Amino acid sequence: GAVVSQHPSWVICKSGTSVKIECRSLDFQATTMFWYRQFPKQSLMLMATSNEGSKATYEQGVEKDKFLINHASLTLSTLTVTSAHPEDSSFYICSAPGTRGTDTQYFGPGTRLTVL
Amino acid sequence: GQQVMQIPQYQHVQEGEDFTTYCNSSTTLSNIQWYKQRPGGHPVFLIQLVKSGEVKKQKRLTFQFGEAKKNSSLHITATQTTDVGTYFCAAHNAGNNRKLIWGLGTSLAVNP
Repeated sequence: GAVVSQHPSWVICKSGTSVKIECRSLDFQATTMFWYRQFPKQSLMLMATSNEGSKATYEQGVEKDKFLINHASLTLSTLTVTSAHPEDSSFYICSAPGTRGTDTQYFGPGTRLTVL
Repeated sequence: GQQVMQIPQYQHVQEGEDFTTYCNSSTTLSNIQWYKQRPGGHPVFLIQLVKSGEVKKQKRLTFQFGEAKKNSSLHITATQTTDVGTYFCAAHNAGNNRKLIWGLGTSLAVNP
């Protein structure tokens, strides 16, 4: 089945630093990937849709300059949290739609970001 | 915008009891998906329902899609401790078939 990997699985950083999270589709190509954040015991909040070869589409209220998304290839999307602050601490998860004809989304294992 | 309401938010049961979570939308849905997220894990796709009145079963799990395609339910018969986790329903956005609108999830705890 389709596998999505995410790296790193967890990261602790100091306030003011930038953190890059990678999302890879391992055995399929993904022209679209989705980035979510999830606070403890809450639902997934879609942050942006990452589009291969073009600009990401951000959801309302998500700062594009704060959360930089790059989808440089059909198997890799990256999310960079710039100038991270403690309130950015969260669980970040990416997903990619399945192959054509299926609507399933395959999720990466998530990245737990803690900003001190 | 399009919203999917999910209840209850939490459910605590004794092992062996049944469990049901419900999702409702004010608009007709093209399809609905169900995911399970174990504590500390990521959402895992369970099933997709597409047809009006559709019922699908996966062992002790029964999924239903309402006749009007505005509501759905997930029923677990005789819960086990392995069923612990949060169950989410999600529906595709009307304008974008790939973007999902998520319910808030139902967190299930099972006492052994």
